Amino acid sequence: DIQMTQSPPSLSASVGDRVTITCRASQDISKSLTWFQQEPGKAPKSLIYDASSLQSGAPSKFSGSGSGTDFTLTINSLQPEDFATYYCQQYKAYPYTFGQGTKVEIK
Amino acid sequence: EVQLVESGGGLVQPGGSLRLSCAASGFTFSDYYMDWVRQAPGKGLEWVARVRNKANGYSTEYGPSAKGRFTISRDDAKNSLYLQMDSLKTEDTAVYYCTRGSRGLNPWGQGTLVTVSS
Repeated sequence: DIQMTQSPPSLSASVGDRVTITCRASQDISKSLTWFQQEPGKAPKSLIYDASSLQSGAPSKFSGSGSGTDFTLTINSLQPEDFATYYCQQYKAYPYTFGQGTKVEIK
Repeated sequence: EVQLVESGGGLVQPGGSLRLSCAASGFTFSDYYMDWVRQAPGKGLEWVARVRNKANGYSTEYGPSAKGRFTISRDDAKNSLYLQMDSLKTEDTAVYYCTRGSRGLNPWGQGTLVTVSS
């Protein structure tokens, strides 16, 4: 199975900050990567697919980059509604696998 | 508006069975692959299973924890997705989400809680 490793596991940031989250795959997944946001008690929401394409309805403050094994999610101008847990997930090979999540908290 | 609404969760004893349903609306259900993903309390996300569309023979894929115990299926006439869960274990306790296999996994339902406990 392909292992997905996110870093950091958690981070503290202030409103207005720019935040970057990293996701590393244990083998080449090309651009078959998606990012989700999950607020407490709610279902995940898709933000990015194919590593860098913005999902319909997702705010343009979210951007993704990378290919192969290394990927990043960037959030510009952090707002209170952005404090949540973010997950990456690969869909290059079955079984699909997720990173362990990165919790973004208010500093 | 695309909507996915799960149902069928509840409390079940270890070794028991449960069937989850997901009602889809707002899109042409029969065109899409569909997936189940679960989340144990306080834990991360785990992909469970996928069923492809009719054009791809309704073929299926399963994650390691589901293989041999869970069966994913669909009824395109009813715009519905199902997950039959047998031989349930305490570690199957989780919120189960239905999601559409489009541009990754998008969107997701609100989830249904399955609790396996004696």
